[in-house]
Amino acid sequence: KNEVEQSPQNLTAQEGEFITINCSYSVGISALHWLQQHPGGGIVSLFMLSSGKKKHGRLIATINIQEKHSSLHITASHPRDSAVYICAVPSSYNTDKLIFGTGTRLQVFP
Amino acid sequence: GAVVSQHPSRVICKSGTSVKIECRSLDFQATTMFWYRQFPKQSLMLMATSNEGSKATYEQGVEKDKFLINHASLTLSTLTVTSAHPEDSSFYICSARPSFSEQFFGPGTRLTVL
Repeated sequence: KNEVEQSPQNLTAQEGEFITINCSYSVGISALHWLQQHPGGGIVSLFMLSSGKKKHGRLIATINIQEKHSSLHITASHPRDSAVYICAVPSSYNTDKLIFGTGTRLQVFP
Repeated sequence: GAVVSQHPSRVICKSGTSVKIECRSLDFQATTMFWYRQFPKQSLMLMATSNEGSKATYEQGVEKDKFLINHASLTLSTLTVTSAHPEDSSFYICSARPSFSEQFFGPGTRLTVL
């Protein structure tokens, strides 16, 4: 069974701050997903990565396969970044099935 | 690219009625679609995996006769909540997969059963 842990659970920041959200998992995986869920509920896929680093605008995701750890960074944070950020990895017995972390609730204040 | 839509976005229904939720992949063909359920402040839980043209595979504890899934085409899957009860009130999210790796999520449907 693949366990996924995220930290912190809750995070508040001032606009402009650099944000880091961490995700650790217990079993080897082929890829890890970072998702964003806004207060209205809709989910947006931010990244899928299997090695190294990916960047999209102010968002950067890194993964260390050996350490089973991934980080999501937000540079120059903005109130519109306020959302729940979720990491997800494939189940070890059924790669069709994603195992989701409990999410990190981010609030960015102006 | 890779847009997934859901309809309706919100639905309120009376107890005992059935509700159909549609999930469409707008700009790609999805051989596999997934249906999730999310209770307030909880993580997404996979309900079932739907492959085009075949029966859905349900997760343990999910009633097949209550949550009917149809994946009739490569761009459309539907979830019908039959004889809905207040405990079925939840946020239902679908995702669609165009390849063997990435899933793209729909915006979700909030169901309230009175």
